[in-house]
Formats: sequence, structure tokens, C-alpha cells
Amino acid sequence: DAGITQSPRHKVTETGTPVTLRCHQTENHRYMYWYRQDPGHGLRLIHYSYGVKDTDKGEVSDGYSVSRSKTEDFLLTLESATSSQTSVYFCAISEPSSYNEQFFGPGTRLTVL
Amino acid sequence: AQKVTQAQTEISVVEKEDVTLDCVYETRDTTYYLFWYKQPPSGELVFLIRRNSFDEQNEISGRYSWNFQKSTSSFNFTITASQVVDSAVYFCALSPGSYQLTFGKGTKLSVIP
Repeated sequence: DAGITQSPRHKVTETGTPVTLRCHQTENHRYMYWYRQDPGHGLRLIHYSYGVKDTDKGEVSDGYSVSRSKTEDFLLTLESATSSQTSVYFCAISEPSSYNEQFFGPGTRLTVL
Repeated sequence: AQKVTQAQTEISVVEKEDVTLDCVYETRDTTYYLFWYKQPPSGELVFLIRRNSFDEQNEISGRYSWNFQKSTSSFNFTITASQVVDSAVYFCALSPGSYQLTFGKGTKLSVIP
């Protein structure tokens, strides 16, 4: 199994509060991704990173920001959480030469009340 | 634009039956990659297989087999002699080889003992 951890695994927060989710990998993979999973939508890409300090937006990036200061860590921040951001968040990693085979972390369940 | 359609939202089978999960995709890329992932009730996403668009050979791995047909833009997944442990949500996904990975909405498979 790919060495990917996510923290926290579960979080309940209130509308308007900032939230940061962390993804940590031990595989030294260059690419990292944040997805959200919602019923009826499958997985949708929020942001991705193709190197340290190199990030770009995905399909559903509004309301989210990311940072990557080290190869192994990719942070997802909800500046002011809303109930529509209640979801399960998955981090993934891949290597550029791997045909985009992505390996996923265990997920973080976030509830915004 | 890329699209992946998994028309079967939920399937129930009795243990030991064979079951096929359908996946139809749309892409304008001439080179692309297809994937299947498994999400068991515990929630993690498990990579099952990657297929390259230039390789139409079918693949078998134990009780799992995959049928890739470019002519019909399909990449179907068959489980032979299903077992309770096969109960999960299965996702088909498509990538042009860059960061982009487009998921279908998933098929929930329930195997009844």
C-alpha cells in the first residue's frame, strides 16, 4: 500500500470557521491531489500539485485553497467552511511517468454544521 | 471534454453468481488510460487496474476480468463467482495521461450470501 496518511480522519466544525486538512506521503511522489466525494457525484478534483509550491485548480476549487511547502505534505484549507463543503475528502498521489495511476489516502470525513 | 458513464447505480447478486459492471467513456484523446477502483464499506479507494488505449487485450486476474473494447468505448469489469467480500462501490475512471482523472459515479455491488 502507498504510504499516504490524512489528518484528521474525522472532523465536525461550524459554518464560518477555517479548516485545514493535511495529506502526508512517504512515497516521494511528485504529484498530489485533493478530491471530494459526494453521493451521486463520484470523486471530483479540487486542487492538485505538480511540485513543491506548484499548484493548480481542479473542477470544484471555489472555497478551497492549497499549499505545498514540502514534497511530502499537501494541505487543503477551507477559509470559511460552509455546509455545502460537508463531504469526504481524499488525497491522492502519482508520479508523472505512471500514466496517472493515482493512489489514495484513507479519506477525511468533514461535517460542517 | 471527458466523460465516464456507469449506468448501473446498484447491483445485487447472490454469492457465486457472475456479475459484470459496465463502463462507457467519451474522450477525444487518441491516447488515454482507463482505470477501475474499488471502494469497500470501510471507505478507502483501492486501485484495481490500468488499461492503455493502445492495448485492447483483455486481462484476467483471479476472479476478476476486464473487457476493453475501443469500438464501443467500453471498459467492463466482470467478477466471476462473486463473494461477499466483493461487496463495494466500484469506480471506473479515465485519464489522458496528465493530472486529469475523470471518475464515473460508481456502481454499488451487493453480494448476498
